[in-house]
Amino acid sequence: GESVGLHLPTLSVQEGDNSIINCAYSNSASDYFIWYKQESGKGPQFIIDIRSNMDKRQGQRVTVLLNKTVKHLSLQIAATQPGDSAVYFCADPSGSARQLTFGSGTQLTVLP
Amino acid sequence: EPEVTQTPSHQVTQMGQEVILRCVPISNHLYFYWYRQILGQKVEFLVSFYNNEISEKSEIFDDQFSVERPDGSNFTLKIRSTKLEDSAMYFCASSKGGHTEAFFGQGTRLTVV
Repeated sequence: GESVGLHLPTLSVQEGDNSIINCAYSNSASDYFIWYKQESGKGPQFIIDIRSNMDKRQGQRVTVLLNKTVKHLSLQIAATQPGDSAVYFCADPSGSARQLTFGSGTQLTVLP
Repeated sequence: EPEVTQTPSHQVTQMGQEVILRCVPISNHLYFYWYRQILGQKVEFLVSFYNNEISEKSEIFDDQFSVERPDGSNFTLKIRSTKLEDSAMYFCASSKGGHTEAFFGQGTRLTVV
């Protein structure tokens, strides 16, 4: 079965608001997670990662939170901009060759 | 900034033909991957390649598929006897390995007609 998944297939936010995209995982042995952004017609682009010894990591306008108790992680985007419109995936490189298992993706639409 | 490059960006082929998708991974990376994404679906792992051999493959990666690293820079995916259902975006990725992120190319859109 799927080891990572996302809660909502779509999310619409007003420009300037904060966005929260959620992801659940089932493999308690997963120790590293990555968020990717995929714009239409392009390949997945790395946003931020987090290791299981952390519960929070911040980047530029993005924060990832990891709750190992409930096997949940979230991506928070501050002051969402039109350029943030894309599909967001959480991914778990738990394969034996560190290959990625992608979730279903959340389409983020930023409204003017 | 180093990037993974893929050629061609779009390939149209007739059913039953063979196609070769090409990738140039980031030069100091050690792990190479092919993924595919059927329109509207999630990205799926096909195969990983390390130390000049396949290290892992999914059930999608059957005898129809093969990979090769013919020289020090290129990494290719060959699809023999293409089927309509092979139509998808094919992404190449590379990573340094371990707990590091994989970088993806822009993809090759394969259309089988």
